[in-house]
This record gives sequence, structure tokens and C-alpha cells, in this order.
Amino acid sequence: DIQMTQSPSSLSASVGDRVTITCRASHTITSSLNWYQQKPGKAPNLLIYAASSLQSGVPSRFSGSGSGTDFTLTISSLQPEDFATYYCQQSFSTGYTFGQGTRLEIK
Amino acid sequence: QVQLVESGGGVVQPGRSLRLSCAASGFTFSSYGMHWVRQAPGKGLEWVAVISFDGTNNYHTDSVKGRFTISRDNSKNTLYLQMNSLKTEDTAVYYCAKEKRSSGWPHFQYWGQGTLVTVSS
Repeated sequence: DIQMTQSPSSLSASVGDRVTITCRASHTITSSLNWYQQKPGKAPNLLIYAASSLQSGVPSRFSGSGSGTDFTLTISSLQPEDFATYYCQQSFSTGYTFGQGTRLEIK
Repeated sequence: QVQLVESGGGVVQPGRSLRLSCAASGFTFSSYGMHWVRQAPGKGLEWVAVISFDGTNNYHTDSVKGRFTISRDNSKNTLYLQMNSLKTEDTAVYYCAKEKRSSGWPHFQYWGQGTLVTVSS
């Protein structure tokens, strides 16, 4: 199975900050990388698919980049509703592995 | 609007069985692959299984192979997960998810609210 490693595991930031979360795959996955946001007690919500495509309805302050094995999720200006846990996921091969998550907390 | 509603969770003893259901509405169910994803308490997301739009192909993660079976009934717009020989480590919230494909790669466009399965003696 392809392993996905996110960094950092947790992050403290302030409203208005620019934040970047990284995700590394153990094997090349071309651009088959998705990002999800999850708030406590809720189902995950798709933010970015195919590494850089913004899901409909998701604010443009979210962006994704990367290909091969290294990917990033960037939030350009943090809003109060963005404090949550973020997961990357590879969709290159069945197993569809998720990263361990990055918890974004208010500083 | 798309709705996915899971049911069938509960408390079950180790070694017993449970069947989860996911009722779908708001889209053409028979046109999309469907997935189960689980999340143990306080832990991250773990993909469990996928089934093709017509039910002819399915895959399961290694930790549930031989114990869990994903299936679907397109006439009832319902996805299932039959879970046998349950273990304490199967305790989790189970989500169903509808996939959409971009360049052949799936992403999980819609999720249900989840159903909690607790395996405990």
C-alpha cells in the first residue's frame, strides 16, 4: 500500500495567517491527491481533488499544489471557520490511503 | 440534493456480525462507485472498501478482507457493508461516500453522517 505522511501533525495559527500543510506519498501518485477538512463530530468535507482542483463551493483561499510524491495545501488567509483537521488522501491505487491528519488550532 | 444516510450501527460482541446500510438519494445511484470509510474514536480516517457502479467489482482493505463484504442494491439505491467476525479494533464511526472521478481517479464528493459501531464484550 502507498503510505501518506502529513506534516505537521498539529499547527497553531492566527486568523489572517497563511498556512501550508504538506503531504508526502511513499510512491509516486502523479496528481491523484485529495484534501479533506473535518470538524469535530462531522463527516469530512472535500476541499481539493486531483492535487489542485478546487471543489465547487469551497472558498478560493484554499489551494492545492504538487505532483509525484510531494503535495501542499495552502490556506491564504485563515478564517475562524477553518480551524479543523485536514487530511490528504491518495486515489492512485486501491487502498486509497489517508494521511494521519493535521490539526489546525487557534493560537 | 445528494443525501447519504447510514444506519445499522450499534454495540456488538466480538465475533458477532452486523450489517450497515447507506440509503442514497438525490443522484443516479447506479452510475457511481461507492465507498466505506471508518474512523476509530479520536483517530484518523481509514478507507475500508469500494464497489463499482454496477456491483461487479469490489475491493477491501487488508485488515477486513475475508470478514467484511461491500455490496449494493441499485434497485433500492442502497449500499451495504456486511461485517462478520467483528473485532474490538473495528470499533469506529463508519461513513459511506459517493465517489466522483477526475482523470480516472476517484475523490469522495459526498459523505453520509456516519454510524457508530462499537465492538465490546
